[in-house]
Amino acid sequence: NAGVTQTPKFQVLKTGQSMTLQCAQDMNHEYMSWYRQDPGMGLRLIHYSVGAGITDQGEVPNGYNVSRSTTEDFPLRLLSAAPSQTSVYFCASSPWAGQPQHFGDGTRLSIL
Amino acid sequence: KNEVEQSPQNLTAQEGEFITINCSYSVGISALHWLQQHPGGGIVSLFMLSSGKKKHGRLIATINIQEKHSSLHITASHPRDSAVYICAVLISSGSARQLTFGSGTQLTVLP
Repeated sequence: NAGVTQTPKFQVLKTGQSMTLQCAQDMNHEYMSWYRQDPGMGLRLIHYSVGAGITDQGEVPNGYNVSRSTTEDFPLRLLSAAPSQTSVYFCASSPWAGQPQHFGDGTRLSIL
Repeated sequence: KNEVEQSPQNLTAQEGEFITINCSYSVGISALHWLQQHPGGGIVSLFMLSSGKKKHGRLIATINIQEKHSSLHITASHPRDSAVYICAVLISSGSARQLTFGSGTQLTVLP
């Protein structure tokens, strides 16, 4: 049972480039979410999904896009990378909203 | 002002000491979570509670809804407990339920 799998683990981008962070879970969880973690700040919610075909914005959605075509996958797209998006990104899932979440190992993203 | 405040921000203890980490919040919540972030970055959920107290091994979490305060206690601390401990509150607004996180408490337990 792999849990929540995030890829890649590390990525360096140039300003203006786009990319997709992948997140997959094999626990049949309905709720999935993306967070960013910056030094001195708590995890902040970017986007979340309560089930396939349903997504919504979190606290810091600007510059990011998501989709949920299947229960298993919840990719996060950076449309045009900016240095302010340099962060560690975590994907998490839970059976439904509010339940203890299972976290991926994180993606460390640097935008130059 | 952050809706979730943790104290202390940093804590250094000697092995065997009893440790308390505090979490205060300013809004009505449905539940409160405690999480642990390992030095390598991985995050695991420790507890979810909405009232009273929960215990798992050497970890004890308590919550006082009226005072909007929760504590995480570690008994007989060990160097392997060194990690960042994060408090998060579950806020329900209509059909939306979202977690708001504190900035974490860095715990270092010295042998």
